[in-house]
Amino acid sequence: KAGVTQTPRYLIKTRGQQVTLSCSPISGHRSVSWYQQTPGQGLQFLFEYFSETQRNKGNFPGRFSGRQFSNSRSEMNVSTLELGDSALYLCASSLDPGQKYEQYFGPGTRLTVT
Amino acid sequence: GNSVTQMEGPVTLSEEAFLTINCTYTATGYPSLFWYVQYPGEGLQLLLKATKADDKGSNKGFEATYRKETTSFHLEKGSVQVSDSAVYFCALSDFTGGGNKLTFGTGTQLKVEL
Repeated sequence: KAGVTQTPRYLIKTRGQQVTLSCSPISGHRSVSWYQQTPGQGLQFLFEYFSETQRNKGNFPGRFSGRQFSNSRSEMNVSTLELGDSALYLCASSLDPGQKYEQYFGPGTRLTVT
Repeated sequence: GNSVTQMEGPVTLSEEAFLTINCTYTATGYPSLFWYVQYPGEGLQLLLKATKADDKGSNKGFEATYRKETTSFHLEKGSVQVSDSAVYFCALSDFTGGGNKLTFGTGTQLKVEL
């Protein structure tokens, strides 16, 4: 079974621009979560989607948004990019949103803001 | 809120040495506990999990036991290999507030030398 895929793998943007990242979950997985990884803050939860609904949201500004489609694929968008948004963005999928269900991570999208 | 505390790294060991990476947690509910591993330039890989007290997760020679009385989930391996060099993350998942959210420790870098 194919794993979680994320596109693009690398991205360079300029301050003030916006960016959209894409995530395709493992087939059959209905829950998709997004995390930001930086050297300073570590791994931080952004949001989780299940059945096209955002079920949980981390402590990030409104510039960070996401959505999930009927086929469970998900996108996240960051508007008005800031230098501090440079990070590895990881998507994870799980069978169901219950806490006992492990999350499987994709390879990430490395975003660099200049 | 929930939190995970891991021992500081980096940890440097000789091949075939015994490994322990300490992890303790604070949670309001009854979380599930996980260890993830990240190799350079990659996303996170699930190493093992435990969903209730006294559960032991194991995989690839790694083990961890869910200790509710000491709120710990220490990772151990009897004999490490050079290929085990990576960053290890302890994480907890709970369903409080709806949705499945992982809270991570800061990660412990392991370097195994010949």
